[in-house]
Order: sequence, then C-alpha cells, then structure tokens
Amino acid sequence: LAKTTQPISMDSYEGQEVNITCSHNNIATNDYITWYQQFPSQGPRFIIQGYKTKVTNEVASLFIPADRKSSTLSLPRVSLSDTAVYYCLARGYNKLIFGAGTRLAVHP
Amino acid sequence: KAGVTQTPRYLIKTRGQQVTLSCSPISGHRSVSWYQQTPGQGLQFLFEYFSETQRNKGNFPGRFSGRQFSNSRSEMNVSTLELGDSALYLCASSRDPDGNEQFFGPGTRLTVL
Repeated sequence: LAKTTQPISMDSYEGQEVNITCSHNNIATNDYITWYQQFPSQGPRFIIQGYKTKVTNEVASLFIPADRKSSTLSLPRVSLSDTAVYYCLARGYNKLIFGAGTRLAVHP
Repeated sequence: KAGVTQTPRYLIKTRGQQVTLSCSPISGHRSVSWYQQTPGQGLQFLFEYFSETQRNKGNFPGRFSGRQFSNSRSEMNVSTLELGDSALYLCASSRDPDGNEQFFGPGTRLTVL
C-alpha cells in the first residue's frame, strides 16, 4: 500500500519559488499523484495532478522523476495568499492515501 | 455551476447516538468520496462510490457506512458515536473515479460530546 510523506512545515517570502516534495514508497504503476491546497475552514482545492515527468498549469508545476518514488510541487513567485496547507495524494485503484500535509507560511 | 454541497454544516451529537451526513455532488459527477479530517490523523479516506456501488473503502470500523443514490447524491452514516469521531467530514466528487480531479465540499463539522 502506498504511503506518502511530506515535510510538516515550510517558510517562504513573497515572490520566491517554493518546492514541496512528497515521498511515496510502493507506488503502483497506475497511481496518479495529486496535490491539493487547503485553507482553514474550507475543503481541499485541486492544484495539479500527474503521472510522470513534468506537468504544468497556470498555478503550479509538478515534477515526478522516472522512479516515481517522489514528486515535487513547485509554486512560482508565491504571495501571502498562498499561505495554506498542501497535501499530496497517491491515487490508484483501491488506494487513496493523503500525506499529512505541509503547512506553508509565506512572509512579506 | 454549483459546487459540492454538504449538509448539515455543523452538528453536535452525544456518545452512542447515530448521525447521517449528506453530500450532493457537482452536476454530472458520478463519483463521490468521503474523508475524515482531524488535527491528529489528517485526511483519511473513508469510502468511494461510483454509480451507486462502493468501489473503495478505507480502514474504518463498520460503524461507518455510506451509500449513493441513483442521482449520485451520497450519504454517510456513523452509528454508536464515540468522542473520537469528532472531526470534519469532507465529501468530494469527480466525473469518474480513476485519476480525475476531485472537487471538495466545505465539509460537515461533527462534534461528539
């Protein structure tokens, strides 16, 4: 069964790039990796999803190396409003494993 | 397009009671998943339904059950409530269950006294 591990917290400053890495051991060949953002008193919000290599959308990039044992969420030029908890999710058939979440604090 | 709605938003129960939570997915979405979120355990997967069939189930006791109706709306039930069941219960919907973006509702905050 896949298990995901991510840092508990990170600090950054406005305008910087932030990279959050998630380790996922025993990931199966059909598992997708998804990242979510959560603000207090709200449900998680989808950021990006990938299977391998690199995926980019308007808010983030996701890097998954060839061995797929980890993934890195990259947030370019963060702002104060990016302060939130970020979760990685290993998703495949019969498996839905969330990481414990990384609390990102963006400072002025 | 309306998002995922969950009712009620807040609920207070006492130990031993049972509770039913409701989730209405986004129109056109046939997959509904339920999660429990607590400060100590984080986000934990409860179960997933697609076209009225349970596809996946997390590691929760049998007191936790769910179902999905033909209109894709879903309910989850917790019987014989325990203090440790106090949590935020989140519902998420997606168009289909495999590898697709899930949209979360605001959650139901359950407090067990």
